Amino acid sequence: DSGVTQTPKHLITATGQRVTLRCSPRSGDLSVYWYQQSLDQGLQFLIQYYNGEERAKGNILERFSAQQFPDLHSELNLSSLELGDSALYFCASSMNPSETDTQYFGPGTRLTVL
Amino acid sequence: QQPVQSPQAVILREGEDAVINCSSSKALYSVHWYRQKHGEAPVFLMILLKGGEQMRHEKISASFNEKKQQSSLYLTASQLSYSGTYFCGTAYSGGGADGLTFGKGTHLIIQP
Repeated sequence: DSGVTQTPKHLITATGQRVTLRCSPRSGDLSVYWYQQSLDQGLQFLIQYYNGEERAKGNILERFSAQQFPDLHSELNLSSLELGDSALYFCASSMNPSETDTQYFGPGTRLTVL
Repeated sequence: QQPVQSPQAVILREGEDAVINCSSSKALYSVHWYRQKHGEAPVFLMILLKGGEQMRHEKISASFNEKKQQSSLYLTASQLSYSGTYFCGTAYSGGGADGLTFGKGTHLIIQP
């Protein structure tokens, strides 16, 4: 158990809908990262937050957005969902926004878009 | 740019050794190794830093060759629990604003 929690574990929804994925980082970690894992694209970095502020953007679509709240939990919002958005979404956290800090991954949310 | 991992898959007998490589065409700042079992979260193994020493975690060790921009993961006397997909995640800058770029993974199967 990494100490990172994610809810829900599974999500099944229809195309065109909007969903929100939630992540709570490990106690003491200020930085949160979101990753998407699919069979064809592999594990891809989406976005990073540090202490409430957006820090870096990766391959995140415009239909997706995220935020980190004052209590440091983070939410990833996915809208106008398409079949291709079906994937495992992981949140990871680290103490600092540093390339030398370990990122601990949560258990993931499996999103299925029908 | 995505790092290249090799081999794509390895099948070993318990007790055998394996080496997994992670190569980059761009200068690396750090390399992070993870193991993932099917449907589960990636589990952190170790970090290799530019200019840093070889790391070790139990019977797993890793090195970072700055000249080749390559990291290698060494699994010695493999155990059944080592089965899974191994990913290297790379960081290219030291600015603190960068997610990891992951390779496609190496599937490792350990047979009794």
